[in-house]
Amino acid sequence: AQKITQTQPGMFVQEKEAVTLDCTYDTSDQSYGLFWYKQPSSGEMIFLIYQGSYDEQNATEGRYSLNFQKARKSANLVISASQLGDSAMYFCAMREVYRGSTLGRLYFGRGTQLTVWP
Amino acid sequence: NAGVTQTPKFRVLKTGQSMTLLCAQDMNHEYMYWYRQDPGMGLRLIHYSVGEGTTAKGEVPDGYNVSRLKKQNFLLGLESAAPSQTSVYFCASSPLAPVTSRTGELFFGEGSRLTVL
Repeated sequence: AQKITQTQPGMFVQEKEAVTLDCTYDTSDQSYGLFWYKQPSSGEMIFLIYQGSYDEQNATEGRYSLNFQKARKSANLVISASQLGDSAMYFCAMREVYRGSTLGRLYFGRGTQLTVWP
Repeated sequence: NAGVTQTPKFRVLKTGQSMTLLCAQDMNHEYMYWYRQDPGMGLRLIHYSVGEGTTAKGEVPDGYNVSRLKKQNFLLGLESAAPSQTSVYFCASSPLAPVTSRTGELFFGEGSRLTVL
């Protein structure tokens, strides 16, 4: 079974609008970390935002926020005021715990291709 | 500020040939990883290492071997390349991060594009 599910292969949003990229995860651990990465057409992996399972508040980084709903096991990425440069592939990922106390392996979803149009 | 460096960036192999991808990090990170990226599949973990001299299998380890003789280097080997191993390979590293850490992201190299004919 997939640990990370991204159900939207592609999303379109108009410039300056907000967009939500969906992500659900599967784990039996109580402790884990959730991440979003951006991959532009140039190919590099860019870290966007992190949410720890212990964090009660949703993470925010500039125009990015993570809508964390622990009971539903969802970690949706919200991008506010979209820009043309936001067009890219977006990956949701989860790090499980290694030996009970540190973050270990990182599992990725299949990604959502976001296109921002003028 | 090099971060994570992968060599080579591009390589074309014939079926049955062998090769080694080198990953080097200068951040003194404990953890290192090798992923492959294929269209529509996201990034899948091949092998990883939680410290010098240790390695472990990931999701798709078959056909690959790894070694981590030095903390800063993580090598990915293909002993007998197959067309199914045509992919983009990413190396990544991360420090030890407790579960209560406010960070814990992986730092990625730029990727290595491998084509097996």
